[in-house]
Parts: sequence; C-alpha cells; structure tokens
Amino acid sequence: KAGVTQTPRYLIKTRGQQVTLSCSPISGHRSVSWYQQTPGQGLQFLFEYFSETQRNKGNFPGRFSGRQFSNSRSEMNVSTLELGDSALYLCASSLGDRGYEQYFGPGTRLTVT
Amino acid sequence: KQEVTQIPAALSVPEGENLVLNCSFTDSAIYNLQWFRQDPGKGLTSLLLIQSSQREQTSGRLNASLDKSSGRSTLYIAASQPGDSATYLCAVSAGTALIFGKGTTLSVSS
Repeated sequence: KAGVTQTPRYLIKTRGQQVTLSCSPISGHRSVSWYQQTPGQGLQFLFEYFSETQRNKGNFPGRFSGRQFSNSRSEMNVSTLELGDSALYLCASSLGDRGYEQYFGPGTRLTVT
Repeated sequence: KQEVTQIPAALSVPEGENLVLNCSFTDSAIYNLQWFRQDPGKGLTSLLLIQSSQREQTSGRLNASLDKSSGRSTLYIAASQPGDSATYLCAVSAGTALIFGKGTTLSVSS
C-alpha cells in the first residue's frame, strides 16, 4: 500500500505571495492532518479534516486554511506569506477515529524570502 | 493545556549500548501515545503506538512503556547501532491532534 504523499517537496516563495500544498493520504484513510515544523517551535498542529469537514483546528492565524476533497486528498493554503512561515509542512493520515495511528508523509519544505 | 517534554534533548552513545529516552506529559486524559523517528530533513516514521489502556509495546529492539497516571513514557532501545542515529519524538493524542515534544537527538558512534 502506498504511503502518504506530499507535493511539491520543495518550494521557494516571496513574502506576500500565497502557496498551496497538496497531500494524498493512504488509501482508505479518511482523516488528514497538517502540521508545521520549525526549529524554534517544533511540531505544531494546524488542522484536521475528516470527510471533507474541518474537525479540529490549531492556534494559527486565518492566513492558514485547508480543504479536503471527496477522495480524501487534502490541500492547505497559506496566503500573504511571511518570513516566519518558512518551515517543513507535514501531512498525516489515519483511518479517522480518535486513537488511530497517524502516518506521516515526507513533508514540503517551504522557504519564504 | 497539554504539554509534552522530552529529556534529554541530545544523547551520544557508543554502539552496542542500551539506552532510554524519556517523555512526560501534563494531562493524563490521552487516547494514545506515539513514538516517532525523524531523520534530518525528512518526515516522521512511526515506531510504536501505545493505546491509553496499554502499559507497553515492543517492536524488535524497541520497547515503549506508558504510565498514564504519572504522565510518563519511556522508549528503550537495546543494543544501539549507528543506523539508530536520528531524532526521536513522542506525541500524545487527546483527540484528533497530536501534541509533540521537542524530541531527543540520538547519535550512536561506531
């Protein structure tokens, strides 16, 4: 079974631009979560989608948004990029119910200049 | 607010040594605890998942324990190898979000 895939793997953007990252979960997984990893803050939860609905949200500004499609694939969007948004963005999928193991993708490395 | 702490932040050991990584959390109301491994610049690889009703899980040379009442977990690595060098992260689940510690960076020298 294929693992979680994320595209693109690397991205360089300029301040003020917007960016869209994509995540394809493991087949059969209905929950997709997004995390931001930075050297200073570590791994922080952004949001989680289940059956096309945002089920949980972390403490990030409204510039960070996401969506999930009917095939469980998910995208996250960051508008008006800031230098501090430079990070590794990780996507995780699980079967969906609380307590299930989460499987992570390789991440998208976003650099904002 | 749930907080997860990992001690030590870094650890260097010679090959063959047995070692223990520690993880503590402040709120015992968790669904499960996961241990992950992360190689530099890469994603997370799940090592072990312990449900809140379990006390330990084993996989090969790895053994993880969970004491929910005291808010502690340990990851025991037997007979360490240079290939074990990586950052080890623990995370607790109190719903659909994982709360992570900052990790322990392990270096195993040959």
